[in-house]
Amino acid sequence: QVQLQESGPGLVTPSETLSLTCTVSGGSISSYHWSWIRQPPGKGLEWIGYIYNSENTGYNPSLRSRVTISADTSKNQFSLKLSSVTAADTAVYFCARAPVGASNVRYWYFDVWGRGTLVTVSS
Amino acid sequence: QSALTQPASVSGSPGQSITISCTGTSSDVGGYNYVSWYQQHPGKAPKVIIYEITHRPSGVSNRFSASKSGNTASLTISGLQAEDEADYYCTSYTTSSTVVFGGGTKLTVL
Repeated sequence: QVQLQESGPGLVTPSETLSLTCTVSGGSISSYHWSWIRQPPGKGLEWIGYIYNSENTGYNPSLRSRVTISADTSKNQFSLKLSSVTAADTAVYFCARAPVGASNVRYWYFDVWGRGTLVTVSS
Repeated sequence: QSALTQPASVSGSPGQSITISCTGTSSDVGGYNYVSWYQQHPGKAPKVIIYEITHRPSGVSNRFSASKSGNTASLTISGLQAEDEADYYCTSYTTSSTVVFGGGTKLTVL
């Protein structure tokens, strides 16, 4: 079955850029759309943004100015870049899959998740 | 976008039923059928238990049910079991083509 694995530095310096990659195994990155979701320690979930068909993206308005999500279909991966990070960006970052149906109708629920990776912003 | 409103905590005894509410606006919960619910145990990734307001994924117990009325969605867990103790989150698609989560509800099985 499809599995997602987040990877990237576990420690990022304040004001720098956080970069994470989600590798999709057991299935193609095509025919689905993909999101990044984060969870600060002890707090709730926050949707960061999505990518579909490698070029269609959408972002949380509160993060839009700092976020870029991209995809590499040749590697079956998609990535997150979050710039100008502060301690408030410390969180477990999850990647997740959402279905796409006939006629490219996108469904907005997340049926497959990665295990998550903790990113700490600290000097 | 503002987070959807959920109670911070609910509790119930084994065998009982509980309901968790999720209140949004006409721009999210009230405007779309894309309301979903997730269960998250400590240290684990969330798991979808309800999608499109009322649908249960294969393998999810039929003790989980959900509904929507106006701008409020609700998740009901019947026949509470110890394993149901977890955090529960609702989500909705929005008019801004984004997704918004609820603040989460901690379920304690007494």
